[in-house]
Amino acid sequence: AQRVTQPEKLLSVFKGAPVELKCNYSYSGSPELFWYVQYSRQRLQLLLRHISRESIKGFTADLNKGETSFHLKKPFAQEEDSAMYYCALSGSSGYSTLTFGKGTMLLVSP
Amino acid sequence: DTGVSQNPRHKITKRGQNVTFRCDPISEHNRLYWYRQTLGQGPEFLTYFQNEAQLEKSRLLSDRFSAERPKGSFSTLEIQRTEQGDSAMYLCASSSRSGSREQYFGPGTRLTVT
Repeated sequence: AQRVTQPEKLLSVFKGAPVELKCNYSYSGSPELFWYVQYSRQRLQLLLRHISRESIKGFTADLNKGETSFHLKKPFAQEEDSAMYYCALSGSSGYSTLTFGKGTMLLVSP
Repeated sequence: DTGVSQNPRHKITKRGQNVTFRCDPISEHNRLYWYRQTLGQGPEFLTYFQNEAQLEKSRLLSDRFSAERPKGSFSTLEIQRTEQGDSAMYLCASSSRSGSREQYFGPGTRLTVT
């Protein structure tokens, strides 16, 4: 069975501080990992995916297969980063259905 | 095209009643997904369509749930004999078969069963 674990329900930091949102997964094959974000009163949207290896809004995430982790990082948090962040996994079924973690609320204070 | 749309946005119903939700995907997307999200949880996969064919269903989709996508465009999700445990946000997403296959989510339908 595939599973995504986000150990922190809430992460509170000050503006300018570094941010790391943790994500660990379990999957027997080679998964595709994603980070989705939901800003207040907005719909869920893709932030980044591991295969693209790009930085979006200053966020990066590296897939560590040895530790089965896909932590989301940003060196300097901004107030507009405050949102709910979900880590998600897509298995090799070919249908690209997503398994989500429970999410981490990031609050960036001025 | 303003993205994935869902109707209604909110639904309050009494236990035992039937409800139906509609999802209109992005027009060129042939893949459509339904998810359910309860308080404090991430979205959980319910079912998947490729064009009009329902190709995958989660164990969460009990016999009281049925989904259709009759012409490969919009989709409906019906819940019969609703129970209080059905109260949740029901999310629809669509994606293209080619390219990035990114899933684009709708705003959701919030169901409250009293």
